Amino acid sequence: GAGVSQTPSNKVTEKGKYVELRCDPISGHTALYWYRQSLGQGPEFLIYFQGTGAADDSGLPNDRFFAVRPEGSVSTLKIQRTERGDSAVYLCASSLTAGSSTDTQYFGPGTRLTVL
Amino acid sequence: SQQGEEDPQALSIQEGENATMNCSYKTSINNLQWYRQNSGRGLVHLILIRSNEREKHSGRLRVTLDTSKKSSSLLITASRAADTASYFCATGRSGNTPLVFGKGTRLSVIA
Repeated sequence: GAGVSQTPSNKVTEKGKYVELRCDPISGHTALYWYRQSLGQGPEFLIYFQGTGAADDSGLPNDRFFAVRPEGSVSTLKIQRTERGDSAVYLCASSLTAGSSTDTQYFGPGTRLTVL
Repeated sequence: SQQGEEDPQALSIQEGENATMNCSYKTSINNLQWYRQNSGRGLVHLILIRSNEREKHSGRLRVTLDTSKKSSSLLITASRAADTASYFCATGRSGNTPLVFGKGTRLSVIA
């Protein structure tokens, strides 16, 4: 596609509910990243995939967060038992490969998650 | 945790003036990148400078990198109202993944 797309653009949910956030990377990009950005802060790394496998999930805050990329393209970030502190903009990015010092990460528009 | 720290946190200038933003980081890096973000949503990649480079230009943008001081600067020349945005520096460890962002500088360019 033309760029990284994310759906939904906005998600409002109640505390304790389960949510799924979707990311469609640029076609042909093998690396996919999830970041979370709180108000007034820079994005913070959550997890990244090289192909179908999670290469680094050290940024996931706890076991309520999980992400998959079953076919090496679209990825879904899943949050169980949401808490008010999960409210943030969730950003997805993709790059042609991971492991190259010159690969640019291209970001999607983000999903703004609000937990009431 | 965030590695980079941009300075100043906010900057307001008149259209036509130059804007300089600084970034400091803590650990060794493979490269440093600058991004722009409008309205708290998607980030736009501006420029990447590798750890063995000292200066890089792209249009009205000039980036410098001083690895001995663990700092970088972004200069936007002849600013325009459309340059109003938040600017973030992000450092890449080995292999460019994952990026570690600073808190950003909010730039306002007044027409």
